[in-house]
Amino acid sequence: KQEVTQIPAALSVPEGENLVLNCSFTDSAIYNLQWFRQDPGKGLTSLLLIQSSQREQTSGRLNASLDKSSGRSTLYIAASQPGDSATYLCAVVYNQGGKLIFGQGTELSVKP
Amino acid sequence: EAGVAQSPRYKIIEKRQSVAFWCNPISGHATLYWYQQILGQGPKLLIQFQNNGVVDDSQLPKDRFSAERLKGVDSTLKIQPAKLEDSAVYLCASRHSSGRAEETQYFGPGTRLLVL
Repeated sequence: KQEVTQIPAALSVPEGENLVLNCSFTDSAIYNLQWFRQDPGKGLTSLLLIQSSQREQTSGRLNASLDKSSGRSTLYIAASQPGDSATYLCAVVYNQGGKLIFGQGTELSVKP
Repeated sequence: EAGVAQSPRYKIIEKRQSVAFWCNPISGHATLYWYQQILGQGPKLLIQFQNNGVVDDSQLPKDRFSAERLKGVDSTLKIQPAKLEDSAVYLCASRHSSGRAEETQYFGPGTRLLVL
């Protein structure tokens, strides 16, 4: 069964701290892996997409890594800001059809 | 470029009633998805359309849920009759589907359903 797990479920950090969110998946035959951000009452916004042949992707203060052999991905956020407070979702795609299989998310709170 | 539009944004109904949600994807996007997100969980795919054909509805509770995509553009998702456990946010997403591996999905704001 294809499952995605995220830990921790919730995280609270002071502003300026660097942090890592974790994602693991059971079936390593992925097509790509994506990280999304969800703000309360809003839809999902794509942050980073890592193709199966890639090891990492970077966008601004965000860096996502992928290790297919161990079935893991991490999202690194540098110099966190209160505006980063949101739920972060990891999702795996197994074929070109694009069906996303999501983890349960990590709720991040960055305190001023 | 306009995003994915959904309506209504909120709906409260009693169990056994029926409800319908509407989605208008980004213009030119061939693939449309409906996801169900229960509080505290990640979204789960209910149904996927490619143009106006169904690609994947393996997790759609077909005894009460139905969906259609008119002329390969707008889509409606219906629940009849609703149960308490259907309380969730229903998210619509679309994707251009040009075949590029780096293509992502764009999500609408969702419809929050509460069944009493």
